[in-house]
Amino acid sequence: DQQVKQNSPSLSVQEGRISILNCDYTNSMFDYFLWYKKYPAEGPTFLISISSIKDKNEDGRFTVFLNKSAKHLSLHIVPSQPGDSAVYFCAATPYNTDKLIFGTGTRLQVFP
Amino acid sequence: GAVVSQHPSWVICKSGTSVKIECRSLDFQATTMFWYRQFPKQSLMLMATSNEGSKATYEQGVEKDKFLINHASLTLSTLTVTSAHPEDSSFYICSARSGEFFGYTFGSGTRLTVV
Repeated sequence: DQQVKQNSPSLSVQEGRISILNCDYTNSMFDYFLWYKKYPAEGPTFLISISSIKDKNEDGRFTVFLNKSAKHLSLHIVPSQPGDSAVYFCAATPYNTDKLIFGTGTRLQVFP
Repeated sequence: GAVVSQHPSWVICKSGTSVKIECRSLDFQATTMFWYRQFPKQSLMLMATSNEGSKATYEQGVEKDKFLINHASLTLSTLTVTSAHPEDSSFYICSARSGEFFGYTFGSGTRLTVV
């Protein structure tokens, strides 16, 4: 049972444009959401997070939006850079646990 | 920032042998460590959660006798794949959390190939 889903396995964006990565979840008991960037054969690198009590968090080129009623969050990267090319995972933690549940991942390719 | 060192980065072993993977938090005390497994082009699946000094909590479907986890100190957790088989070949990643701050720091992963 995949509680966190990223329905787009891949995304291709031109350099300078906006990249929008989407994530849907089913468990209403998730209280914290995180986005990670991952290269092959490496561990994930933390990008940005958001608490369930907020609907937006911004850090430089990265902005995460949370729509609790729709159980949907998205990561916006603007402007996109070739160095952003990687696999992006959204992840969520259920309330009152330490577990981190990962989504299925979206491969982002930013081309010149 | 917080750093987690995972060793080895890759290992090849014969079927039937055991392999130990180490995960160390270098500059913080990890009260909780997590072990994940990732198959090619798939998500990271949580295998188990370990707290220092206590037994690991395994996720449903993970064989605790096959994947032995030891969290003997606040800076070291080990995952031992016992009697490895080719289907155990995968990418294993550890993650550590401190009780002092929110955040998960990941190791660089271990590529295990069982031949």
